[in-house]
Amino acid sequence: GENVEQHPSTLSVQEGDSAVIKCTYSDSASNYFPWYKQELGKRPQLIIDIRSNVGEKKDQRIAVTLNKTAKHFSLHITETQPEDSAVYFCAARVDYKLSFGAGTTVTVRA
Amino acid sequence: EAQVTQNPRYLITVTGKKLTVTCSQNMNHEYMSWYRQDPGLGLRQIYYSMNVEVTDKGDVPEGYKVSRKEKRNFPLILESPSPNQTSLYFCASSFSGTGNTEAFFGQGTRLTVV
Repeated sequence: GENVEQHPSTLSVQEGDSAVIKCTYSDSASNYFPWYKQELGKRPQLIIDIRSNVGEKKDQRIAVTLNKTAKHFSLHITETQPEDSAVYFCAARVDYKLSFGAGTTVTVRA
Repeated sequence: EAQVTQNPRYLITVTGKKLTVTCSQNMNHEYMSWYRQDPGLGLRQIYYSMNVEVTDKGDVPEGYKVSRKEKRNFPLILESPSPNQTSLYFCASSFSGTGNTEAFFGQGTRLTVV
């Protein structure tokens, strides 16, 4: 089955700096790559996603890039703010199965 | 309001006592799934359902059962719970199980098996 690896597991950034989270996947048939944000005690919520036929997508301060050849995708958060502090999960979908990475705990220091 | 509702939110039970966690969605979604979340392991898929009466195993199905008799409901059944099933469980639904469709998560059920 699909194996998604996510790095780093923790990330501490100064407010205003950028944060980058990287994921790799194993199944070249994966065709959909969402990113979820989970605040403490809350449910995961979609923040951005990308399809396999798109290389990059941006939504305000958040962007995702996909390299199909290398089978990796990344989340970029610019101008980080305290409310960006959360756990972020990447995921990859192949057929009906959605596999998640282990998560990255992002802390934004004021 | 469009939502996925799980019950109960918290549950403490004893080893071997059968339990059911309910999940209901009001968005007419075809696809529903169950995940467990454990520290350092992320979200792992237990079972999923592509539509009514169609279910399949995820990555960690051992010790769990599901059913999909109606489109809106997808209960998770633990017939003989064990301590290693202590976890945070999430139900999710999406319009379909393929393509780029957002998964909406329930609020989670924290299960402790003693």
